[in-house]
Amino acid sequence: EVQLVQSGAEVKKPGESLKISCKGSGYSFTSYWIGWVRQMPGKGLEWMGIIYPGDSDTRYSPSFQGQVTISADKSISTAYLQWSSLKASDTAMYYCVRQRRSGGSCCSDAFDIWGQGTMVTVSS
Amino acid sequence: SYELTQPPSVSVSPGQTARITCSGDALPKQYAYWYQQKPGQAPVLVIYKDSERPSGIPERFSGSSSGTTVTLTISGVQAEDEADYYCQSADSSGTFVVFGGGTKLTVL
Repeated sequence: EVQLVQSGAEVKKPGESLKISCKGSGYSFTSYWIGWVRQMPGKGLEWMGIIYPGDSDTRYSPSFQGQVTISADKSISTAYLQWSSLKASDTAMYYCVRQRRSGGSCCSDAFDIWGQGTMVTVSS
Repeated sequence: SYELTQPPSVSVSPGQTARITCSGDALPKQYAYWYQQKPGQAPVLVIYKDSERPSGIPERFSGSSSGTTVTLTISGVQAEDEADYYCQSADSSGTFVVFGGGTKLTVL
């Protein structure tokens, strides 16, 4: 079964760092773009960025450039989303997603597999 | 920055047809995709490449495109179709992914 399994919920304080993970299985992890999507409480979906694990080519939404870092470790089929200094406004559900087609360019395709989501709560 | 515009809400009675639109200047050049999200769940892809239906998605879900507007149509709406629906596409150069603001479908 093709799936993305994300790390568990996190509760952090403002200013702390955080790295959440997304492990792919059931397919060739290095051949598909993996993206991250934010959903703030009661709000819509926002694309944050995307990485191609095969060569670590990474793209960011202008809204999130410099705010987060996306990385991947292809040896363990895992993608990451990290913050160096969290803010209360980072409180949200974060989904990792797989782009539908293997290879190719990013961003002009659907996301056919979604992780279960990681809830991040930042509060003092 | 590029935006996709959806109506905030659409209401229909069971058995009727629901149409949810998504507008964006780059839609004539870029495909659109649609997702269904029920409360507490991750989104699910229901339409890709404007009008293609993934396996396992009921035939009552269909998509179409005309100029700068794409439309998700749900024929014979059922109570279980009540959900938020999001369109997704890319900017004209295919550099960035963009989501619409979402439409809440209410089945009366």
